[in-house]
Amino acid sequence: GAGVSQSPSNKVTEKGKDVELRCDPISGHTALYWYRQSLGQGLEFLIYFQGNSAPDKSGLPSDRFSAERTGGSVSTLTIQRTQQEDSAVYLCASNAMTEPGTGELFFGEGSRLTVL
Amino acid sequence: AQSVTQLGSHVSVSEGALVLLRCNYSSSVPPYLFWYVQYPNQGLQLLLKYTSAATLVKGINGFEAEFKKSETSFHLTKPSAHMSDAAEYFCAVSGSGYSTLTFGKGTMLLVSP
Repeated sequence: GAGVSQSPSNKVTEKGKDVELRCDPISGHTALYWYRQSLGQGLEFLIYFQGNSAPDKSGLPSDRFSAERTGGSVSTLTIQRTQQEDSAVYLCASNAMTEPGTGELFFGEGSRLTVL
Repeated sequence: AQSVTQLGSHVSVSEGALVLLRCNYSSSVPPYLFWYVQYPNQGLQLLLKYTSAATLVKGINGFEAEFKKSETSFHLTKPSAHMSDAAEYFCAVSGSGYSTLTFGKGTMLLVSP
């Protein structure tokens, strides 16, 4: 597709369940980012991929959170044993830069996660 | 490490009035600075960016921002607000080409007729 695609757009789950969120970046974009957006908290950086490797995963809040990227394209963010505080919108972004700080990020519309 | 502070979680203006959204940054190296806009139920899109060229940066939809090193600021302005400008605006900073973006908490712009 033309833009960053994320699925599901909405996910409601019960506390303790595992969830997977998917991001399909713009074709050819080597850099991929995950951010978490909570009400009043802005965007919280989670992890950055360059190709299939993750040079910066300093933002993952706990070991319940993990992410992978295969084939230099699609990425999956997995949250294990979800907690209510995990409820947020998870945003994925990509760009074509090898220097991620200099260029425009292209964002998907996000996956809204609600943990009951 | 870098950080961003956006003053005011909400800013209200009348249609046709000046828009001023404040952003102050902290960075130990010359920064790259960005403003993004998020319309309801959409992802973020880039308004403008500063990458060490001209200090006055013009963006889309009539917005501009001025980099002031002495004040560590990068405030966003628009001379005349339009109803369609109502959205949430995020300032972001990167400390170098190889660091990721750090975003502020956002400012919701409300425009009244």
